[in-house]
Amino acid sequence: GESVGLHLPTLSVQEGDNSIINCAYSNSASDYFIWYKQESGKGPQFIIDIRSNMDKRQGQRVTVLLNKTVKHLSLQIAATQPGDSAVYFCAPRQDSGYALNFGKGTSLLVTP
Amino acid sequence: DTGVSQNPRHKITKRGQNVTFRCDPISEHNRLYWYRQTLGQGPEFLTYFQNEAQLEKSRLLSDRFSAERPKGSFSTLEIQRTEQGDSAMYLCASSDSTGAGANVLTFGAGSRLTVL
Repeated sequence: GESVGLHLPTLSVQEGDNSIINCAYSNSASDYFIWYKQESGKGPQFIIDIRSNMDKRQGQRVTVLLNKTVKHLSLQIAATQPGDSAVYFCAPRQDSGYALNFGKGTSLLVTP
Repeated sequence: DTGVSQNPRHKITKRGQNVTFRCDPISEHNRLYWYRQTLGQGPEFLTYFQNEAQLEKSRLLSDRFSAERPKGSFSTLEIQRTEQGDSAMYLCASSDSTGAGANVLTFGAGSRLTVL
């Protein structure tokens, strides 16, 4: 089955710095990836997605990079703010599928 | 529309009791998903509906778990004869079924179950 792992379970950054959250996946058939953010007491919230025919996608203050060769993706958050403190999940999915496969997540803590 | 709504937000029950959770999806979404999340883990897929049809239920955790979406709108998740291991957050999500929206799940805030 799919194995989704994160390189660091927790990440602490200072406000204003850039954050990089990494994610490794095992299923080479995965062709679509979504990053979700989950704040305490809330459900996961969509941040950004990327298809496997792309290697980079940018959103507002966020950039996702995809390296299919090594089955790795990263989420970069520019100028991290206290409101970015949350658990971040990458969720690979096969395009014909319907179920997202979440890993354990990375806890991001933004300190003043 | 205020998003995906789940009720109750918290449920405490004694082992052996039955519990039911309700999910009201975004009204224009015809796909509805149930996930379970335990402490320190990511959400785990349980089941999925397109309109009233339950298209995947093999990943429900046991035969004590069942879900319905009788009219293709709201859904219920029932757990019979609850066990302490059922204690978790139960998340509902909805999405479109076509276009880019089919890939983006909107989650509710979840229903937290504590089994004593």
